[in-house]
Amino acid sequence: LAKTTQPISMDSYEGQEVNITCSHNNIATNDYITWYQQFPSQGPRFIIQGYKTKVTNEVASLFIPADRKSSTLSLPRVSLSDTAVYYCLVGEVADKLIFGTGTRLQVFP
Amino acid sequence: SAVISQKPSRDICQRGTSLTIQCQVDSQVTMMFWYRQQPGQSLTLIATANQGSEATYESGFVIDKFPISRPNLTFSTLTVSNMSPEDSSIYLCSVEVLTGTLNEKLFFGSGTQLSVL
Repeated sequence: LAKTTQPISMDSYEGQEVNITCSHNNIATNDYITWYQQFPSQGPRFIIQGYKTKVTNEVASLFIPADRKSSTLSLPRVSLSDTAVYYCLVGEVADKLIFGTGTRLQVFP
Repeated sequence: SAVISQKPSRDICQRGTSLTIQCQVDSQVTMMFWYRQQPGQSLTLIATANQGSEATYESGFVIDKFPISRPNLTFSTLTVSNMSPEDSSIYLCSVEVLTGTLNEKLFFGSGTQLSVL
């Protein structure tokens, strides 16, 4: 099972781009990289998923280098409502996904 | 996607009692999971609820303490038995949804906040 390492916390200001990097050195060939967002008193919410290179959706971008040993979640122009905990998960099947410590992002006005 | 309704949303219970948490999904799903999230902590997988068979428990969790039912493809229950203050936590139901060429996604309910006195 691939273990992930993320910064415990990050601070940013409204309008800035935020990049959260996750290390997963022992990622397996069939593993995908998925990011979730969790607000207080809510369950985690899917943000983005990728296997390699770059993935972009309406919420974020995910950059994955060729060796796939890390990934970077990029949130463009954050707002106060982006204050949340962000989890990076690596795995092939859902019942083997392990939630790491997550990154607590605080956005200031 | 999947919409998950979890009940109750919160409860305060006495030591030694049991609480059953219900999870209802708006579509048929194969995989359902129960997680625990202690205050300020990350999520820990308790078990996988299998339809038509016993749940599969993760290390540190046992059926006697956390019995799980999965009578059909849209519903599951988790019971927290013989509760102690250490069981105070948020309990989350989650389902897996396959999304075409991508790997599966997990959708979560809003959780049940349990406080044991």
